[in-house]
Amino acid sequence: DAGITQSPRYKITETGRQVTLMCHQTWSHSYMFWYRQDLGHGLRLIYYSAAADITDKGEVPDGYVVSRSKTENFPLTLESATRSQTSVYFCASSLRDRSPLSSYEQYFGPGTRLTVT
Amino acid sequence: GDSVTQMEGPVTLSEEAFLTINCTYTATGYPSLFWYVQYPGEGLQLLLKATKADDKGSNKGFEATYRKETTSFHLEKGSVQVSDSAVYFCALSRTNAGKSTFGDGTTLTVKP
Repeated sequence: DAGITQSPRYKITETGRQVTLMCHQTWSHSYMFWYRQDLGHGLRLIYYSAAADITDKGEVPDGYVVSRSKTENFPLTLESATRSQTSVYFCASSLRDRSPLSSYEQYFGPGTRLTVT
Repeated sequence: GDSVTQMEGPVTLSEEAFLTINCTYTATGYPSLFWYVQYPGEGLQLLLKATKADDKGSNKGFEATYRKETTSFHLEKGSVQVSDSAVYFCALSRTNAGKSTFGDGTTLTVKP
């Protein structure tokens, strides 16, 4: 499928378990992002990546790990899930364009709803 | 650092009413400005954008003008429909910065 996909779409896990959320994009966009969306908090950036093998922390990185060995994939791992990580997670990508009028709009996946019990 | 402040919601309107959602920003340089829309159960999608001062972005009857003098990018629509019910996010990105800064979102409900 063309575009940006996330899997699974829904996940229920128990406290303390490791969970990996997958994100795949077909556009070869350089930038990829992980956000969480919680009621009352809008979108919060967890991690982002400017290219394969280059990642950086966002606003709320604690408890999460990312990797990016291939341009098209950007998995997010919760090493030991906690109830506070119950949220909707969105992956996004953006084209790296060095032209003066580049605008860096982001393209979002459909989201993964994660529940930690 | 960069920031985006948008009108607090929720906003409830009757069908065919005029819509304004205010958005102001703080950023160095000349950022690009965006409005994204999120329909229930979906990810965000770009609604419109403007890349320089005085540009007007438009799409699906929505418009927003990049006002550098007031650092604003207010979203407007002359006649809303029930299908416009969604959450609207204002955002900015700076050239070569990659990341975007998002506002907190404004929930719009349009009643028939």
